[in-house]
Amino acid sequence: TQLLEQSPQFLSIQEGENLTVYCNSSSVFSSLQWYRQEPGEGPVLLVTVVTGGEVKKLKRLTFQFGDARKDSSLHITAAQTGDTGLYLCAGLITGGGNKLTFGTGTQLKVEL
Amino acid sequence: DTAVSQTPKYLVTQMGNDKSIKCEQNLGHDTMYWYKQDSKKFLKIMFSYNNKELIINETVPNRFSPKSPDKAHLNLHINSLELGDSAVYFCASSQFPATDTQYFGPGTRLTVL
Repeated sequence: TQLLEQSPQFLSIQEGENLTVYCNSSSVFSSLQWYRQEPGEGPVLLVTVVTGGEVKKLKRLTFQFGDARKDSSLHITAAQTGDTGLYLCAGLITGGGNKLTFGTGTQLKVEL
Repeated sequence: DTAVSQTPKYLVTQMGNDKSIKCEQNLGHDTMYWYKQDSKKFLKIMFSYNNKELIINETVPNRFSPKSPDKAHLNLHINSLELGDSAVYFCASSQFPATDTQYFGPGTRLTVL
């Protein structure tokens, strides 16, 4: 079983602060996705990174895929209360049905 | 318009009962999934269907039986419910198996008493 460890598990910050969430594994992934899940809803895809070393930006969110495609990070600049939610990384291993393995999750709370 | 819908939203039942959860997607996707999210928010795939054919069947008790009557529907039937089955069950769909964006339903919170 491929395990994706996220850190920190919980994060509570003030609006305007910066933060980074990490997603680490010993497995190599074909691609890696980041999702955000709000209470009572299903996860929503934020981004997919495919190439080792790839960096993608989505407004104040910056995603990076590790060079060896085993890890990823999500950096949020000037967090806002609307960023509050559960952030999940998910790694794809192709072959054998192509399935996503989800990370352990990071619960982010941004307060005024 | 709801892309992926699930019914019911909440399900409270006694141990030993049999229950079903239904899922429908109107995105025209070929692949559908069932995931289980436990109390620690860990999300794990259970089953995946592509064009009504089972392609992923994780280590799930055989009390869980998925059924796909057509590409737009994937139902989950659970026999002899146990306390440990309490969780949120999510249906999802994508055009291609896993490599494409997955769209999740709102989830069904199952509580077994």
